[in-house]
Amino acid sequence: EAGVTQFPSHSVIEKGQTVTLRCDPISGHDNLYWYRRVMGKEIKFLLHFVKESKQDESGMPNNRFLAERTGGTYSTLKVQPAELEDSGVYFCASSLRGPDIQYFGAGTRLSVL
Amino acid sequence: GQSLEQPSEVTAVEGAIVQINCTYQTSGFYGLSWYQQHDGGAPTFLSYNALDGLEETGRFSSFLSRSDSYGYLLLQELQMKDSASYFCAVEGGATNKLIFGTGTLLAVQP
Repeated sequence: EAGVTQFPSHSVIEKGQTVTLRCDPISGHDNLYWYRRVMGKEIKFLLHFVKESKQDESGMPNNRFLAERTGGTYSTLKVQPAELEDSGVYFCASSLRGPDIQYFGAGTRLSVL
Repeated sequence: GQSLEQPSEVTAVEGAIVQINCTYQTSGFYGLSWYQQHDGGAPTFLSYNALDGLEETGRFSSFLSRSDSYGYLLLQELQMKDSASYFCAVEGGATNKLIFGTGTLLAVQP
């Protein structure tokens, strides 16, 4: 069974550009989470989907971040326009139900120059 | 606010036992999880405690005291491959989001 996959693994963009990150959860997992780790800081929650619905987006930094999960399968996280402070590693996790073990992807390392 | 405190670094030798502590202060609490992360890769689930006491899974054990807002991860018979970052995380709130500690970097030496 495939795990949580994220694409791309690395992204280097310039300030002001747009980047879209993708997460494919484990098949059948209704719960999908986005987290972010900024250099030297803890991993922080961004938002939580149950199927295609946003259950909790209290961790989203600002309106430059837009997450979608059309059809309740894969999810995208778009940053537009990107700022320097957006650099970090963006993790996606999924779980079969909540509460349950969350399985993480390897993350997307975003560098904004 | 919500916070989890862990030691930043721990060093131990192969074959030894090491304990990584975690104290937490959160507005909600359903359980305490532990994750392992190698070289910035995917955090890998290790264990979960919802109730007080010790959970054992092979060489790894995890303990929770809800009254003390405290838990620890115990790694026995350390191996070189155990060198990694270890994160405690509280599952709190209705949406089951994880609140992470800053991580403990474990270095296992020969």
